Amino acid sequence: AQKVTQAQTEISVVEKEDVTLDCVYETRDTTYYLFWYKQPPSGELVFLIRRNSFDEQNEISGRYSWNFQKSTSSFNFTITASQVVDSAVYFCALSEAGSGGGADGLTFGKGTHLIIQP
Amino acid sequence: DTGVSQDPRHKITKRGQNVTFRCDPISEHNRLYWYRQTLGQGPEFLTYFQNEAQLEKSRLLSDRFSAERPKGSFSTLEIQRTEQGDSAMYLCASSPPFPYQETQYFGPGTRLLVL
Repeated sequence: AQKVTQAQTEISVVEKEDVTLDCVYETRDTTYYLFWYKQPPSGELVFLIRRNSFDEQNEISGRYSWNFQKSTSSFNFTITASQVVDSAVYFCALSEAGSGGGADGLTFGKGTHLIIQP
Repeated sequence: DTGVSQDPRHKITKRGQNVTFRCDPISEHNRLYWYRQTLGQGPEFLTYFQNEAQLEKSRLLSDRFSAERPKGSFSTLEIQRTEQGDSAMYLCASSPPFPYQETQYFGPGTRLLVL
């Protein structure tokens, strides 16, 4: 069975600090996808990134970067020079390639509540 | 380009009543998903459709829950005989056709309160 663990329930940092959100996953499949979503106080989940299991390249997008390591089953997310607008709950999610040839439902972690203080 | 829309955004009902939620996916997205999110938890997958076919429904929480997507466009999620434990946010998502079908885009959710 697939599982996603986000051990950090809440993180609070001061603006401009760097912060890393941890994500550890479990799956038996060799083909799977990993995601990060942001959920601001408004409640809508915002897609941030998708990674497939064959692509271990790290990715950088502006102040955001992601470190995927299959050896440790981790997919960590770093925000550099954090801003107050980054305050939200961040979810890591996993999807195994479905029998229909595409991905099925996502398995989410419990989320990390990130608080950026001015 | 409009995103996923859900209606209503909020619903208050009394225990024992039936409720129905609607989801309109992003245009041309053939997959549609329903999730439930309770306070302090991540979303929990319930069911999904590819076009009008419901390909996974074993994760629906009980036989009081049902979903339809009759013409492969919008979908409805119905909860019969609601219970207080059904109070949660119900999220809908859609994903595009192959080869990007694994990326799901979420709507704003319907927040249900059962009194």
